[in-house]
Amino acid sequence: AQTVTQSQPEMSVQEAETVTLSCTYDTSENNYYLFWYKQPPSRQMILVIRQEAYKQQNATENRFSVNFQKAAKSFSLKISDSQLGDTAMYFCAFMKHSASGSRLTFGEGTQLTVNP
Amino acid sequence: KAGVTQTPRYLIKTRGQQVTLSCSPISGHRSVSWYQQTPGQGLQFLFEYFSETQRNKGNFPGRFSGRQFSNSRSEMNVSTLELGDSALYLCASSFGLAGPNQETQYFGPGTRLLVL
Repeated sequence: AQTVTQSQPEMSVQEAETVTLSCTYDTSENNYYLFWYKQPPSRQMILVIRQEAYKQQNATENRFSVNFQKAAKSFSLKISDSQLGDTAMYFCAFMKHSASGSRLTFGEGTQLTVNP
Repeated sequence: KAGVTQTPRYLIKTRGQQVTLSCSPISGHRSVSWYQQTPGQGLQFLFEYFSETQRNKGNFPGRFSGRQFSNSRSEMNVSTLELGDSALYLCASSFGLAGPNQETQYFGPGTRLLVL
């Protein structure tokens, strides 16, 4: 079974600064995907970024980028130029690649607060 | 393209009752997954449906069941409600086929269930 661990329950950052959220996972699989989702106070779960395990290049989406270390089973999210709207709970999630169905395994979440 | 929709958004039930939640996936998506989110247990996978068949199942009792219709809409049913079933129930849709774009899940706004 896969496990995902987010060791930072809460973090805060000043507007316009950079913050990094940590995530580690445990799996014996070789083909999988990793995701970061954010959940603002509205509770809507929003996809932030996706990383395919077979890709060595780190994924980026505008101000969001990841540092994917496959051997270390580490998957951190860097948010640059933080904005007030980035305030949310951030979840790291693992999905095994499978043609017969998929499920997300989530970490405990990190509550990020962006201060003005 | 419209996102994932869930109805109702809020629900109050009493112990022993049953409840049915509905989820309409993004157009073209054939896979619908259900998750339960609680403060104590976090986000847990319930089940996944693809082409009207349950393809994956999490570790929940038989009181939790679901189905999927030919238009890919899905319903989740919880019978004999318990206080511990109070949670945010999220559904997510994807194309359901192999590949990163096919398997990425997009979430609906959730249904908040309160059991009294």
